[in-house]
Amino acid sequence: GESVGLHLPTLSVQEGDNSIINCAYSNSASDYFIWYKQESGKGPQFIIDIRSNMDKRQGQRVTVLLNKTVKHLSLQIAATQPGDSAVYFCAERVKAAGNKLTFGGGTRVLVKP
Amino acid sequence: KAGVTQTPRYLIKTRGQQVTLSCSPISGHRSVSWYQQTPGQGLQFLFEYFSETQRNKGNFPGRFSGRQFSNSRSEMNVSTLELGDSALYLCASSLSPGTGTGELFFGEGSRLTVL
Repeated sequence: GESVGLHLPTLSVQEGDNSIINCAYSNSASDYFIWYKQESGKGPQFIIDIRSNMDKRQGQRVTVLLNKTVKHLSLQIAATQPGDSAVYFCAERVKAAGNKLTFGGGTRVLVKP
Repeated sequence: KAGVTQTPRYLIKTRGQQVTLSCSPISGHRSVSWYQQTPGQGLQFLFEYFSETQRNKGNFPGRFSGRQFSNSRSEMNVSTLELGDSALYLCASSLSPGTGTGELFFGEGSRLTVL
């Protein structure tokens, strides 16, 4: 993600619509990418991951797309629900860097009923 | 199966003091990582431990230190606290240091306020 700080970019979505959250990563040597969801007062929760040898991966109601050419990652949430309201972070990892993740700044998703 | 447990959940300290935070990983997990989360800097990697050895360290001053015990539990310490150390400190555990899927499971964090 590009933004950091108090002014998180916010995505306001109508319940039932699809959400798309974007993230630009910085290191072309990163080989593994993860999306996390963080609800207020909680730690980040794993949503879905993707390796650099893939360009798409699907989970339950979520899809991650990876474009290595432009170093861009996106998370698509289908049929967004009120429980999806949270801050979403992308994270990248360089191979052989263990569990050292570099996180984006986060995007706040607000689901309107 | 219990998740990652961090203690204390909340604490208040004054400048110049030191603090120790504790993390118990998920049973069977041997890798523990620490992250600092602030509104200004977001989530930043502090360090990672595996088999009682520090494997990786982030770009933080030497006032930040950590260790891991033989039962995989980990502690981190911050000495000579500064106002800017106020943050949510998150611990994450995984089976091993990123050789597999690398999925990290985070605790709920220890919120430190420095006055």
